[in-house]
Amino acid sequence: DTGVSQDPRHKITKRGQNVTFRCDPISEHNRLYWYRQTLGQGPEFLTYFQNEAQLEKSRLLSDRFSAERPKGSFSTLEIQRTEQGDSAMYLCASSPKGQGAYGYTFGSGTRLTVV
Amino acid sequence: AQKITQTQPGMFVQEKEAVTLDCTYDTSDQSYGLFWYKQPSSGEMIFLIYQGSYDEQNATEGRYSLNFQKARKSANLVISASQLGDSAMYFCAMREESFKTIFGAGTRLFVKA
Repeated sequence: DTGVSQDPRHKITKRGQNVTFRCDPISEHNRLYWYRQTLGQGPEFLTYFQNEAQLEKSRLLSDRFSAERPKGSFSTLEIQRTEQGDSAMYLCASSPKGQGAYGYTFGSGTRLTVV
Repeated sequence: AQKITQTQPGMFVQEKEAVTLDCTYDTSDQSYGLFWYKQPSSGEMIFLIYQGSYDEQNATEGRYSLNFQKARKSANLVISASQLGDSAMYFCAMREESFKTIFGAGTRLFVKA
C-alpha cells in the first residue's frame, strides 16, 4: 500500500489549453474524491466516486471540468480551455466504504498554474 | 446549508503548552462525522481525529482530543504538550450523510520555542 498517488505534481499550462490529472487511490478504497485548494483556503469539494459511479458533482464544477473513474480504480480530472482562475492545488483523496471513523487519505496534489 | 466555521486565522502557542483550535458547524443532517486534518508546509493533508455525531465520549488520539459539544454545534481540537512539529494549518471538516466532506478555512498554528 503506497498511499494515494497523483500525477503530475506540477503543471504549467497556457490559458486555453486542456489539462488532465491522474489519481491512483489506495487499492482497497472504493470511494474517491477530488478537491481544489487555493492559497490560504480550505479544500473545496469538486466531485466524488463510489467505485466507477460519480455520485455527486459540485456546482463549482463548470462544464469545462470532467472527471472519470473507469473500472473503479484510478481517476482522471480534465479541465478544458483552462482559465487563470483554475490555478490551484488539485487534491485527490480516497476512503473505504462505510460511515466509520475513516478519515480521507489524501495524495500530495497537483499544482496547476495557468499562465 | 452545511457549513464549517473556523474563526481563528492564526494562533500562537508556546512549546509544551496546550492549545485549543475552534470549530463550529451547521448541518441539518442527523448523522454526520467531524474531522480534523493537519496540513504542514509540505502540503499533504493528514487525518488527525474523528468524532461521530452519535458518539457520547469525546474522541482522543494521542496528544489530540476533540471537545464535542453537540448542542452548541462545536468541535474544538485540543492539542496538548505542543511540539515545534505541530506548526501547520489545521482544518476542521464535516462528513455529511451523502459522504461528501466539507472543510473550514483553516487555522494556522505557530508553535514557539
